[in-house]
Amino acid sequence: DSGVTQTPKHLITATGQRVTLRCSPRSGDLSVYWYQQSLDQGLQFLIQYYNGEERAKGNILERFSAQQFPDLHSELNLSSLELGDSALYFCASSDSRDRGLRNYGYTFGSGTRLTVV
Amino acid sequence: AQSVTQPDIHITVSEGASLELRCNYSYGATPYLFWYVQSPGQGLQLLLKYFSGDTLVQGIKGFEAEFKRSQSSFNLRKPSVHWSDAAEYFCAVVGDYGGSQGNLIFGKGTKLSVKP
Repeated sequence: DSGVTQTPKHLITATGQRVTLRCSPRSGDLSVYWYQQSLDQGLQFLIQYYNGEERAKGNILERFSAQQFPDLHSELNLSSLELGDSALYFCASSDSRDRGLRNYGYTFGSGTRLTVV
Repeated sequence: AQSVTQPDIHITVSEGASLELRCNYSYGATPYLFWYVQSPGQGLQLLLKYFSGDTLVQGIKGFEAEFKRSQSSFNLRKPSVHWSDAAEYFCAVVGDYGGSQGNLIFGKGTKLSVKP
């Protein structure tokens, strides 16, 4: 157990639907990162939050959004789902924007596998 | 743009044989480099990292990696592979500008199979 908890582990939904993926970071970690892993694109950085604030955006579609709550858990919302959104979505955490990464690297959760049918 | 290249998509080695997984990066300054391992159905586990100092880095599970600035490489090695090492291995670098600044840029991964 890495200490980063992601729910649900698996999700099957239809095109056009909306889903929410949840991540609880490791205790004490303030930063949460979301990554998408697909066969064709590999691991792509989506978005980062630090202590409730958005810090960086990567290749995140406009149909996707995220937030980090006061208790530091984060949710990734995916809407108007398309077949191509099927992927493994990872959450990772670190204890700060910079120092945590350089000292520890990210700690990854086990992911949520999203299948859009 | 910054990038990480893992030239080998799939490698098969015999148990007990040595292993080297290749990683090349494009980066202007001194990079922060990582190797992660992903077992089937699992998240990514950090094997080792390089920030500065000694260019030979020791990690968990008997892995090591060597940073070679002249070759822009950070190859992962293990002297004797165990069947439990079968997994996918990812090399990553911390981005230094744009949306990737401070975040990890991953290679496409190398899948390792181990023959008995």
